[in-house]
Amino acid sequence: EVQLLESGGGLAQPGGSLRLSCAASGFTFISYTMSWVRQAPGKGLEWVSGISGSGGRYSTFYADSLKGRFTISRDNSKNTLYLQINSLRADDTAVYYCAKDLYTGSLGTFDYWGQGILVTVSS
Amino acid sequence: QSVLTQPPAVSAAPGQKVTISCSGGSSDIGNNYVSWYQQLPGTTPKLLIYDNDMRPSGIPDRFSGSKSGTSATLGITGLQTGDEADYYCGTWDSSLSAVLFGGGTKLTVL
Repeated sequence: EVQLLESGGGLAQPGGSLRLSCAASGFTFISYTMSWVRQAPGKGLEWVSGISGSGGRYSTFYADSLKGRFTISRDNSKNTLYLQINSLRADDTAVYYCAKDLYTGSLGTFDYWGQGILVTVSS
Repeated sequence: QSVLTQPPAVSAAPGQKVTISCSGGSSDIGNNYVSWYQQLPGTTPKLLIYDNDMRPSGIPDRFSGSKSGTSATLGITGLQTGDEADYYCGTWDSSLSAVLFGGGTKLTVL
């Protein structure tokens, strides 16, 4: 059974940093592109970033509006996906979902989603 | 503002049919597959349709998808109160190298 379990969220200060983790199990983690998708309170889905299975330098993708403050990475030896968020702003407040791609080697169709982790940015 | 345009809300009576549109452009829907997601109140999104018109295992055939040009459509027949949810379309944008979602459509079954 595929499981995605996010952690690392909570209350953070504006201007601070946070690293989210997503522990994956139940599938061959290294083979699949993984993504982070966020949802602000009462708002729609917003794709944040994706990373291919190999985790190589040129296999990361970001939403244009979020480039620079977000860094996605993965540790295939630990079956874990990460999202580093720097210079936190109030509008980063959202539930952050870890999502698995349906196909190996592609990005954009998410067949499994984690339960989500809430990040609240407030002083 | 979402790049993929969906109506904010649709409604229909139980047993009826409803369609939800998703409009994009040549670099996104026009040249890539479309997926649809259902988010029931208080739950995580669930893949409903992929590759424009394919249903994952376990999704009833009351749900259907189609694509024409730069637009896609989700159809739901035999509406049930349990279908009340937010529905999102999504696709890859080849120019941006990014995933796009529509703004979401809230379905109310009256």
